[in-house]
Amino acid sequence: SQTIHQWPATLVQPVGSPLSLECTVEGTSNPNLYWYRQAAGRGLQLLFYSVGIGQISSEVPQNLSASRPQDRQFILSSKKLLLSDSGFYLCAWRFPGTGHNEQFFGPGTRLTVL
Amino acid sequence: AQTVTQSQPEMSVQEAETVTLSCTYDTSESDYYLFWYKQPPSRQMILVIRQEAYKQQNATENRFSVNFQKAAKSFSLKISDSQLGDAAMYFCAYRSASLRDDKIIFGKGTRLHILP
Repeated sequence: SQTIHQWPATLVQPVGSPLSLECTVEGTSNPNLYWYRQAAGRGLQLLFYSVGIGQISSEVPQNLSASRPQDRQFILSSKKLLLSDSGFYLCAWRFPGTGHNEQFFGPGTRLTVL
Repeated sequence: AQTVTQSQPEMSVQEAETVTLSCTYDTSESDYYLFWYKQPPSRQMILVIRQEAYKQQNATENRFSVNFQKAAKSFSLKISDSQLGDAAMYFCAYRSASLRDDKIIFGKGTRLHILP
């Protein structure tokens, strides 16, 4: 069976500091990967998605970036955090191709920028 | 662009009763997928039910069923015999069947309270 991991679970960072959130998927190959942000009491905002190693699509221009150095690893980064980067970050995956359209979510990372 | 609208920010239902959560969407496509996700206080997103637009039959998963009205672009979720564990935020979501559009669009959610 497949599992998805995110770490850290909770993070408190000062404004202007760097960020690195990691997501890994086990039990499948070549998954499509996604990063979402959820502000308090709000819906999900898609930030980035990837269909393969080194292939990143950005949905929202901002000071965040994403990378996929390995097939099942997806990293969300920032060089300098802003207060507005606070939120709950969710990583998700799905099987590639047609016929497998639902996404499966990780446990999330709660980021607080002070 | 596709949009998903959940017009009920919050709802409450008595335990063991039935509740229906509303969702409407807008798209010009004919082939797509619709989902309901549940987000309990743990904030883990859990898939509740999925509906393929080409299927006329409404999807059912145990106590959860949908009323899919393609012409009206409506996709409501019915929860029967509500349980305390059903308390959560529920998100309606849309995904195009096109491989060129690999995104799921979520509504803003409906917070469901279960009254004991």
